[in-house]
Amino acid sequence: NAGVTQTPKFRILKIGQSMTLQCTQDMNHNYMYWYRQDPGMGLKLIYYSVGAGITDKGEVPNGYNVSRSTTEDFPLRLELAAPSQTSVYFCASSTPGLAGEGQYFGPGTRLTVT
Amino acid sequence: QKEVEQNSGPLSVPEGAIASLNCTYSDRGSQSFFWYRQYSGKSPELIMFIYSNGDKEDGRFTAQLNKASQYVSLLIRDSQPSDSATYLCAVSTGFQKLVFGTGTRLLVSP
Repeated sequence: NAGVTQTPKFRILKIGQSMTLQCTQDMNHNYMYWYRQDPGMGLKLIYYSVGAGITDKGEVPNGYNVSRSTTEDFPLRLELAAPSQTSVYFCASSTPGLAGEGQYFGPGTRLTVT
Repeated sequence: QKEVEQNSGPLSVPEGAIASLNCTYSDRGSQSFFWYRQYSGKSPELIMFIYSNGDKEDGRFTAQLNKASQYVSLLIRDSQPSDSATYLCAVSTGFQKLVFGTGTRLLVSP
């Protein structure tokens, strides 16, 4: 199993450009998440999905969009990139359970908006 | 706003000592608690999860939970230089969404 994979690893965007961050998991997990991590900070939830066709906002959704057409894929779309979106983006997945056994993270995408 | 608080550190301990990392949370309804380790430039890696009051041990790691005091801790016994990393405390909300603390940086000196 590859686990959770993310592409690209690094990206530089100009202000106003758009891009899609890709996330795929091969663990058949129902739940998937997108976080951003700013330097010296914890992770903030952007969006999450509990299954194909079902998504919802997290703590910091403004400026982002998601879709979930399959169990495996959960892309994150940035529209009109702004310098405030410079961050490291992590995708994660988990499986529902009585208490949950935590989330498994992808390697991250380091995004710079200039 | 649900919050998770951690001392940012750094916490410095000598090799072989016990490292004690602490975390408090604001939501009394929280059920599940997690400790992640994050090396610089890498993604978080799950170390432990706990959801019952008391201690849970896994190798050199022990997680402790006190729901009455809204307090979670992680003890690392026989600390090694390879344990030097940032340790993130996280609390689960609905649909296993996690609220993270800002992390405690641990430095283990040889």
